[in-house]
Amino acid sequence: GAVVSQHPSWVICKSGTSVKIECRSLDFQATTMFWYRQFPKQSLMLMATSNEGSKATYEQGVEKDKFLINHASLTLSTLTVTSAHPEDSSFYICIAGDTGSGEQYFGPGTRLTVT
Amino acid sequence: AQSVTQLGSHVSVSEGALVLLRCNYSSSVPPYLFWYVQYPNQGLQLLLKYTTGATLVKGINGFEAEFKKSETSFHLTKPSAHMSDAAEYFCAVSDRGGGNKLTFGTGTQLKVEL
Repeated sequence: GAVVSQHPSWVICKSGTSVKIECRSLDFQATTMFWYRQFPKQSLMLMATSNEGSKATYEQGVEKDKFLINHASLTLSTLTVTSAHPEDSSFYICIAGDTGSGEQYFGPGTRLTVT
Repeated sequence: AQSVTQLGSHVSVSEGALVLLRCNYSSSVPPYLFWYVQYPNQGLQLLLKYTTGATLVKGINGFEAEFKKSETSFHLTKPSAHMSDAAEYFCAVSDRGGGNKLTFGTGTQLKVEL
């Protein structure tokens, strides 16, 4: 089946620094990427939707200047958490949408801890 | 807008007993419905999904779910619980058309006791 990778799988950073998370579709073209975050003991909440070559659409309450999303190619989307704070500590998951097959493929997630 | 309601944030069953995790959805269009399982410190794994056709869907690990349009439900069942089934379970819905965003329920933590 189709594979989506995320890098890094976990990261610890200091408050005020920026962190970039990469999401790659390894054997298909991801026309749409969805970025979710999951706080401990909670559900997945959609942060933004990105389509290749266009600006991301952010969900209400998500700061677009803080969570920068780039979807420059059909196989790579990145999420950059700028000026990270401890409250940004979370599990970030990308889900790649393949409109060709109609399937969604999950990345394994990135655990971010901001100290 | 779509939404998913999972009744019971925690469900506890004895090993060998029936597992029933409830999911109700709200959607303005016929939806795709999914169940996912998440083990501690891991990502989500697809258990099963309903798109079209037969309303009783069989998934991995002996789980199945039935789409009931009249009840807007998609409850997950397993005839006999195993200790390894202890995990967090999420119901999700998406628009038809494929490749669309998923809206997740709040999750149900399943505990399996000896």
